[in-house]
Amino acid sequence: KAGVTQTPRYLIKTRGQQVTLSCSPISGHRSVSWYQQTPGQGLQFLFEYFSETQRNKGNFPGRFSGRQFSNSRSEMNVSTLELGDSALYLCASSPRTTLSHNEQFFGPGTRLTVL
Amino acid sequence: TQLLEQSPQFLSIQEGENLTVYCNSSSVFSSLQWYRQEPGEGPVLLVTVVTGGEVKKLKRLTFQFGDARKDSSLHITAAQTGDTGLYLCAGARNQGGKLIFGQGTELSVKP
Repeated sequence: KAGVTQTPRYLIKTRGQQVTLSCSPISGHRSVSWYQQTPGQGLQFLFEYFSETQRNKGNFPGRFSGRQFSNSRSEMNVSTLELGDSALYLCASSPRTTLSHNEQFFGPGTRLTVL
Repeated sequence: TQLLEQSPQFLSIQEGENLTVYCNSSSVFSSLQWYRQEPGEGPVLLVTVVTGGEVKKLKRLTFQFGDARKDSSLHITAAQTGDTGLYLCAGARNQGGKLIFGQGTELSVKP
């Protein structure tokens, strides 16, 4: 089974711009979660999508948004970029069944640099 | 507020030594997971513990979940250079997708 894929792997943007990141989950996984990883704050939960609906949301401003498509692929968007948005953005998929315990399978991440 | 406190944050040891990483919280978790992350990659799931007092072994790695399901530990026996990486604990409160991560332990095993 192919793993979680994320595109692009690296991105450089300037302040004020917006960016869209893409994630393809493991085949059969219906849950996709997004995390932001920075040296200072570690891994922080952004949001989770399941069956095209946002099910959980972290404590991030409204500039961070996402969506999920019918094939479970997901995108996240960050508008009006700030320097502090520079981070590794990780996507994780999960089977989200009654037998699973929320195990997350992570992609390699998108390294976003805001100049 | 860091709900999961991991210690130590950095650990540098020689090959062959043993080590223990701790993950502590004042909150109860329905499950707790350990991940390992290498530079330029996403975290890779090592183990999930669910039952209070549970002990799981993965070759030289031993994972324990506290009786009250608030803390966990990872013990590595006879560390190897290939064990080098960032070890992360993560707790789940329910079946939802949100995981709460500890700050991580950066392990360096020198030959």
